[in-house]
Amino acid sequence: GAVVSQHPSWVICKSGTSVKIECRSLDFQATTMFWYRQFPKQSLMLMATSNEGSKATYEQGVEKDKFLINHASLTLSTLTVTSAHPEDSSFYICSARSDQRNYGYTFGSGTRLTVV
Amino acid sequence: GENVEQHPSTLSVQEGDSAVIKCTYSDSASNYFPWYKQELGKRPQLIIDIRSNVGEKKDQRIAVTLNKTAKHFSLHITETQPEDSAVYFCAASITGNQFYFGTGTSLTVIP
Repeated sequence: GAVVSQHPSWVICKSGTSVKIECRSLDFQATTMFWYRQFPKQSLMLMATSNEGSKATYEQGVEKDKFLINHASLTLSTLTVTSAHPEDSSFYICSARSDQRNYGYTFGSGTRLTVV
Repeated sequence: GENVEQHPSTLSVQEGDSAVIKCTYSDSASNYFPWYKQELGKRPQLIIDIRSNVGEKKDQRIAVTLNKTAKHFSLHITETQPEDSAVYFCAASITGNQFYFGTGTSLTVIP
């Protein structure tokens, strides 16, 4: 149980275009999902907290107009990288907390974004 | 916000030896401390966790200790094996909400 699916696993896009990444909880409902970014050989940096039915909460230094987050249902959160630039190339990972599992926290498989 | 520091950044041990990774945190309200193992290009995998009402937890070759007063916690891996080679991250959280991760430790177990 507590499976989180992330799609796509790898995407290459041109500078200036937008890319949408999906994070789905497959067998549980997640009122809260989290988005992280990980640069090569670095740690996971929390970008934002996504709450179902309300606006996301962004960490300091993260541009909310560039990284659009939508948590439209209890099983789906999306991250859209708008007007992507090469410096946005990174590994993006979502995670979701299952309310049925106290402190339970499951990561998605990650999305490798390459902007050329 | 929470600040988690992790040491060392790289660690090499001989197979069969023990490995210890240490983390400190800044927010005394943090009460949940998981450890994750991440292989290249893959998602982090939870290997062990500890809550603030416990001082030590053990699961086979892996143990975690927590010192709330000093605000530090450590991961101990005994009888290391080559498959233990990976990057390990500690994290601190308040009631399982946002996780703040340490900077990671690249562990290499030499056969």
